Amino acid sequence: DIQMTQSPSSLSASVGDRVTITCRASQSISSYLNWYQQKPGKAPKLLIYAASSLQSGVPSRFSGSGSGTDFTLTISSLQPEDFATYYCQQSYSTLAFTFGPGTKVDIK
Amino acid sequence: QVQLVQSGAEVKKPGASVKVSCKASGYTFTSYYMHWVRQAPGQGLEWMGIINPSGGSTSYAQKFQGRVTMTRDTSTSTVYMELSSLRSEDTAVYYCARDLGEQQLVLGWFDPWGQGTLVTVSS
Repeated sequence: DIQMTQSPSSLSASVGDRVTITCRASQSISSYLNWYQQKPGKAPKLLIYAASSLQSGVPSRFSGSGSGTDFTLTISSLQPEDFATYYCQQSYSTLAFTFGPGTKVDIK
Repeated sequence: QVQLVQSGAEVKKPGASVKVSCKASGYTFTSYYMHWVRQAPGQGLEWMGIINPSGGSTSYAQKFQGRVTMTRDTSTSTVYMELSSLRSEDTAVYYCARDLGEQQLVLGWFDPWGQGTLVTVSS
């Protein structure tokens, strides 16, 4: 299986900060990388698919970039509702999908 | 709107089986694959498998082969996930999630998700 890692595992930030989360795959996955946001007690929500495409209804302050093995999720100006855990997920290996361990974003 | 509604929480003893349901609405049930993903307490997300609601074909993650069975009922637009030989490590929230691929294309983009079903395995 393709292994996914994320850094940092957690971060503290303030409202208005620019936040960047990194995801790395154990092998090249082209642009088959997706990002999800999960708030406590809730189901995950798709933010970004195919590395850089914004899912419908997701605010434009979220953006994704990267290809191959290295990817980033950027929140341009952190809002109160953005405090959550973020997961990357590879969809390159069809029928063997894997997620990163998550990055928790909390209030500084 | 597209919605996935799952069955309620379950408490099971080790060695037992559990069957979780996921009822879909707001779209053509047979046009989109459905995934199951689980999340142990305080842990990350783990993909379990996929079912084609149209023909019923399935594919399971190697870890769950032999213990998981996914089925569907097209008359009620419901998919089911049954996990057998439960052990304490199976305590988790189980989610169904629709694949975004139309016309039975598997993209591996999960949206939306059900609200989750907590399965607790305890003696």
